[in-house]
Amino acid sequence: AQSVTQLGSHVSVSEGALVLLRCNYSSSVPPYLFWYVQYPNQGLQLLLKYTTGATLVKGINGFEAEFKKSETSFHLTKPSAHMSDAAEYFCAVSLIQGAQKLVFGQGTRLTINP
Amino acid sequence: SQTIHQWPATLVQPVGSPLSLECTVEGTSNPNLYWYRQAAGRGLQLLFYSVGIGQISSEVPQNLSASRPQDRQFILSSKKLLLSDSGFYLCAWRGQGPDNQPQHFGDGTRLSIL
Repeated sequence: AQSVTQLGSHVSVSEGALVLLRCNYSSSVPPYLFWYVQYPNQGLQLLLKYTTGATLVKGINGFEAEFKKSETSFHLTKPSAHMSDAAEYFCAVSLIQGAQKLVFGQGTRLTINP
Repeated sequence: SQTIHQWPATLVQPVGSPLSLECTVEGTSNPNLYWYRQAAGRGLQLLFYSVGIGQISSEVPQNLSASRPQDRQFILSSKKLLLSDSGFYLCAWRGQGPDNQPQHFGDGTRLSIL
């Protein structure tokens, strides 16, 4: 069965510091991986996705993530945090064949300190 | 371009009353459609998904039901609401085809049960 684990339900960083949000997955087949961001009282917005090819994926708002098969990880990073990055972040995984649905992690709330 | 609309944005209902939340998608045909619930401080729970008109898959037993009367319309209903039905309800769509396509979310409905 697939599962997604986001380490740390809350992460706090200073403005300008590195942002690192962790995501590990378990899947019996190579997955498709996604990161979403959710601002208060809004829906989820796609940040980036990994399907095949280059394992370092760049997304919107300066975020990127690296797929590491050997570590079954897909951690999200941003070199320099901005106040506007404060939000909830969700990692999600999809089977390659026919599942038609995503499995979401529990989310990580990112707080930016001035 | 494709857009997704959910309404209402907020709803306050008494226990035991009926519920109908509507979601429509524009700019695409034959999408996969999804209903999620997000309880306070918790992650996303997939409630229902649909791969075509009249085709509904239920993920968890509950007090809710879903229907897809038209290709791009997805409705979430209840005959009698419970306190535990409170939460943030999100509709999402995805194109048909391989699972490397992301889901796209509406802005959600905040449901409060009194």
